[in-house]
Amino acid sequence: DGGITQSPKYLFRKEGQNVTLSCEQNLNHDAMYWYRQDPGQGLRLIYYSQIVNDFQKGDIAEGYSVSREKKESFPLTVTSAQKNPTAFYLCASSPSGGAYEQYFGPGTRLTVT
Amino acid sequence: GESVGLHLPTLSVQEGDNSIINCAYSNSASDYFIWYKQESGKGPQFIIDIRSNMDKRQGQRVTVLLNKTVKHLSLQIAATQPGDSAVYFCAENPYNNNDMRFGAGTRLTVKP
Repeated sequence: DGGITQSPKYLFRKEGQNVTLSCEQNLNHDAMYWYRQDPGQGLRLIYYSQIVNDFQKGDIAEGYSVSREKKESFPLTVTSAQKNPTAFYLCASSPSGGAYEQYFGPGTRLTVT
Repeated sequence: GESVGLHLPTLSVQEGDNSIINCAYSNSASDYFIWYKQESGKGPQFIIDIRSNMDKRQGQRVTVLLNKTVKHLSLQIAATQPGDSAVYFCAENPYNNNDMRFGAGTRLTVKP
C-alpha cells in the first residue's frame, strides 16, 4: 500500500534533549512537509522540501531542523532551542510543480517535560 | 485520543440531517482549495478539492461551494452519519505552488 508513515505515534522527552521524528513516503512524491498542530489552531508549516537535498523554512522553523537525503524520507529534529515543543507533528507529501493535494501521515504526538 | 482543536467552532447535527461547514479564506489570489477531515489522534484525510475556475464540485455525499466574491468556501455533507464526526478544515493555495494555508477547523458532532 502506498502512503506516509510517521513514527513513533507518541514520543516523550525531557527538556533540553533533541529528538528526531521520522517521516517516510512511498508515493514517489517530490515534495514533503512538516507541520505543527496545537489545540484550537490550524496547521503551521515548519519546513518543506521540494526536492532531494533542498529544503526551505516555513513560518515557524526556529528550533527545528530537517534533512532530505532521500526522496522517501524527511526527518524532523526538534532541538532544545524550541521553546514550546509539546505538540502534534504532521508530515505530508505531494507531487511538486503546482497546487496539489497534500497526503498526510498519522502524526506524532511529542510531549516534552 | 489526541485533543486536537479544543476551542474550535462547533457544529452539532442530528444523524441523517445535512451539515454545512463554512470557511472564510484570506487571499483573493488563491486558486486551489481543499477540505480535510481529521479524526481525533489521526492525520488529516482529503475529502474534496476545488479550483477557482469552478464554483461548485460534488463528491460522494459531499459538495463544496466556492464564492470568490466574498472569499467563502463551504462544505455540505448530505445525510450526516456518526462516522462523519471529526474536525473539518479548509486549506487554500495563495501562491500557486505547494504552499497550502490551513484554517483552524470546525468540530462536527453527529448525534445518533
